Amino acid sequence: AQRVTQPEKLLSVFKGAPVELKCNYSYSGSPELFWYVQYSRQRLQLLLRHISRESIKGFTADLNKGETSFHLKKPFAQEEDSAMYYCALGGTGRRALTFGSGTRLQVQP
Amino acid sequence: DTEVTQTPKHLVMGMTNKKSLKCEQHMGHRAMYWYKQKAKKPPELMFVYSYEKLSINESVPSRFSPECPNSSLLNLHLHALQPEDSALYLCASSQDGPAGGYTFGSGTRLTVV
Repeated sequence: AQRVTQPEKLLSVFKGAPVELKCNYSYSGSPELFWYVQYSRQRLQLLLRHISRESIKGFTADLNKGETSFHLKKPFAQEEDSAMYYCALGGTGRRALTFGSGTRLQVQP
Repeated sequence: DTEVTQTPKHLVMGMTNKKSLKCEQHMGHRAMYWYKQKAKKPPELMFVYSYEKLSINESVPSRFSPECPNSSLLNLHLHALQPEDSALYLCASSQDGPAGGYTFGSGTRLTVV
């Protein structure tokens, strides 16, 4: 069965500190992983996907198939990064994404 | 146009009412989705339409009835809902399947009284 686990409900850091939001997945096929972000009162937006290996707003994420992880990282957090972050799993043969439970990132001044 | 538009933004309905939620996209996406999101919870998949055909129904009660009249439009017809159905209903679309990621609408906040 496919599953996405985000172990932290809340992550609170100070501005300028490094951030790592954890995501682990369980999937028997070839996974496609995504990070979505939801800022206060805004719609869910795609932040990044592993296949494009891009960096958006200073965030990066590397798919580690050995550890079945796709952690989201940023070296220096900004207050405007405060939001809800969801890890999502797609994959070969899957018709829809499965979302993790989400981690709320709070960046304090 | 790179948006998914959902109407109405808010809806209050009684348990005996019939109402519909509407979702529209003009990006040429061929897959469209309905998700339900309760407060402080992740989106939960309800239905998937692929090339205007229903491809996934995640065991959703029959009081929710989806419809895809054409490739740009997705409706969710509601009838005899329960208070526990109150939630944010999200529509999303993608090019073909989930591989490229979704574009989400801003949702309809539904309250059943």
